[in-house]
Amino acid sequence: EVQLVQSGAEVKKPGESLKISCKGSGYIFTTSWIGWVRQMPGKGLEWMGVIYPGDSDTKYSPSFQGQVIFSVDKSINTAYVQWSSLKASDTAMYYCARLLGGDYGDLPDYWGQGTLVTVSS
Amino acid sequence: DIVMTQSPDSLAVSLGERATINCKASQSILYSSNNKNYLTWYQQKPGQPPKLLIYWTSVRESGVPDRFSGSGSETDFTLTISSLQAEDVAVYYCLQYYTPPYTFGQGTKLEIK
Repeated sequence: EVQLVQSGAEVKKPGESLKISCKGSGYIFTTSWIGWVRQMPGKGLEWMGVIYPGDSDTKYSPSFQGQVIFSVDKSINTAYVQWSSLKASDTAMYYCARLLGGDYGDLPDYWGQGTLVTVSS
Repeated sequence: DIVMTQSPDSLAVSLGERATINCKASQSILYSSNNKNYLTWYQQKPGQPPKLLIYWTSVRESGVPDRFSGSGSETDFTLTISSLQAEDVAVYYCLQYYTPPYTFGQGTKLEIK
């Protein structure tokens, strides 16, 4: 069974750094892109970008370029998104999703449960 | 970037009645080599991640009830729930995955009248 399990909720202060994770299982982790999605409180879904665990190729949506960094650790089937200096406006739920690939294209089929990040002084 | 615009923003429908949600892309998302529109629909209930309902415009994901259907092509798409059930109360999103950056519609909140 395909599963994406994300790390737990975080409460941080503005200016602090943070790295959250998404661990894949039940499929070959290195052969499917992982997408990241932001959902600010009470708002809609925003596509942040993608990373390919096989070679760490990344593609950021323009709004998130330079704001976050995607990475992976293939040895433990885990993808990450990190911030070097958090802002209050980074407060949101963050989801990872597997992109099915192949003939299906970049179809996000399985999703993690989400990681809530709260940034407050 | 391709802009996805959903209508309406919210919708109240009686139990057993039809619900229709529209999604319009700012440019065609039809991939000519396979004649498929790279458009998918998700359902999100409070406190839950999005759930895949339909991909390639009209293909239901395994386990999705057949009261859910999708239609459309190129720039105009529709999600229809033929007979609304109480468990269908949720926010529905369309997503284009034709070209990066992939983009969602703003969401449609579906409630019971």
